[in-house]
Amino acid sequence: SAVISQKPSRDICQRGTSLTIQCQVDSQVTMMFWYRQQPGQSLTLIATANQGSEATYESGFVIDKFPISRPNLTFSTLTVSNMSPEDSSIYLCSVAAGVNYGYTFGSGTRLTVV
Amino acid sequence: GDSVTQMEGPVTLSEEAFLTINCTYTATGYPSLFWYVQYPGEGLQLLLKATKADDKGSNKGFEATYRKETTSFHLEKGSVQVSDSAVYFCALSEGGSQGNLIFGKGTKLSVKP
Repeated sequence: SAVISQKPSRDICQRGTSLTIQCQVDSQVTMMFWYRQQPGQSLTLIATANQGSEATYESGFVIDKFPISRPNLTFSTLTVSNMSPEDSSIYLCSVAAGVNYGYTFGSGTRLTVV
Repeated sequence: GDSVTQMEGPVTLSEEAFLTINCTYTATGYPSLFWYVQYPGEGLQLLLKATKADDKGSNKGFEATYRKETTSFHLEKGSVQVSDSAVYFCALSEGGSQGNLIFGKGTKLSVKP
């Protein structure tokens, strides 16, 4: 199955700033998914990123706050913009490694906004 | 829409006890079903999966059977170990490789020696 390298693993940021999270996959994949896991909670899908087109955002998430880039079939970034303490979460990227392999996740970015 | 309902935790067991974590789902089609595990401070790892009715997924002593008639995918293990302490997430996907995962709320398991 695919292997995902996600950076940074953690960061502490000042409110009002932005952080860009990167995910590099070791194989070409059509769709990449970005999730948020708030403290003690389950995972919520932020958006789905297709190469060559704009990301599709879930209800409650907007492009101005969470811009996503997908320049090729192995790479994607998620930016958390104008951060507030409520954005403190773990952010994870994921790819579908074919129905027989399930979904693979990056190791996550633990973000704390102070 | 599609959803996953998991038994609420936390669950605390003694070592070698039997584990069941209940999971039921609602879906319009025929989803694939998954169990993921998140060890403390780590990311998500696929534990097991099943892609069609009556399939049994198994891994590391854990098992779950895809029951279409009861829309369930309960996770079981006959004898838990301290190292099984983690958060377990049940999830489904309807889109094959094009769809995202829908997660349950997670169940925290603590195993005491």
